[in-house]
Amino acid sequence: EAGVTQSPTHLIKTRGQQVTLRCSPISGHTSVYWYQQALGLGLQFLLWYDEGEERNRGNFPPRFSGRQFPNYSSELNVNALELEDSALYLCASSLVSTRNTEAFFGQGTRLTVV
Amino acid sequence: QKEVEQDPGPLSVPEGAIVSLNCTYSNSAFQYFMWYRQYSRKGPELLMYTYSSGNKEDGRFTAQVDKSSKYISLFIRDSQPSDSATYLCAMSGMDSNYQLIWGAGTKLIIKP
Repeated sequence: EAGVTQSPTHLIKTRGQQVTLRCSPISGHTSVYWYQQALGLGLQFLLWYDEGEERNRGNFPPRFSGRQFPNYSSELNVNALELEDSALYLCASSLVSTRNTEAFFGQGTRLTVV
Repeated sequence: QKEVEQDPGPLSVPEGAIVSLNCTYSNSAFQYFMWYRQYSRKGPELLMYTYSSGNKEDGRFTAQVDKSSKYISLFIRDSQPSDSATYLCAMSGMDSNYQLIWGAGTKLIIKP
């Protein structure tokens, strides 16, 4: 069974540009989480989608946004990139019915803003 | 005060030692407790989860939850250099709609 897949794996953007990151959850999982992990720091919660709806949002500015599609895949959009947005962006999927006890992560997208 | 506190380390121990990793938390509504392992530049990997209080064992790993003390632990027996990674705890409960709340992670180094 395929795990959580994220694309692209790496990208380099210029300050002020916009970027879209993509995530495909494990088949059957309806919940998708997005996290930011800056170098040497813990996971910072960005967004939680379940059944196509945004369930919760972390303490990030509105230029971080996303959506979940009917097939449960998800996109994370970041507008007006800033240097401090450079980080590993992680997507995880789970079943809310399991109380999110088994959240599985993708390998992440490493974003570098120059 | 953070909801979940975890010593960032690094924790350095010799190969073969028993490792104890810990998290404390403040929200008594947490019911589910998870441990993840993250290798450098990779996504976190679920090791195990525990519901409420008690112990759970999986191979060389044992997770303990003490809800009365709001304290959870992960023990690694016969530690190996391949166990060197960052270990993250995560918790969830009904009052947060089971959203995962994370510790900052402890960096573990196993010296050969």
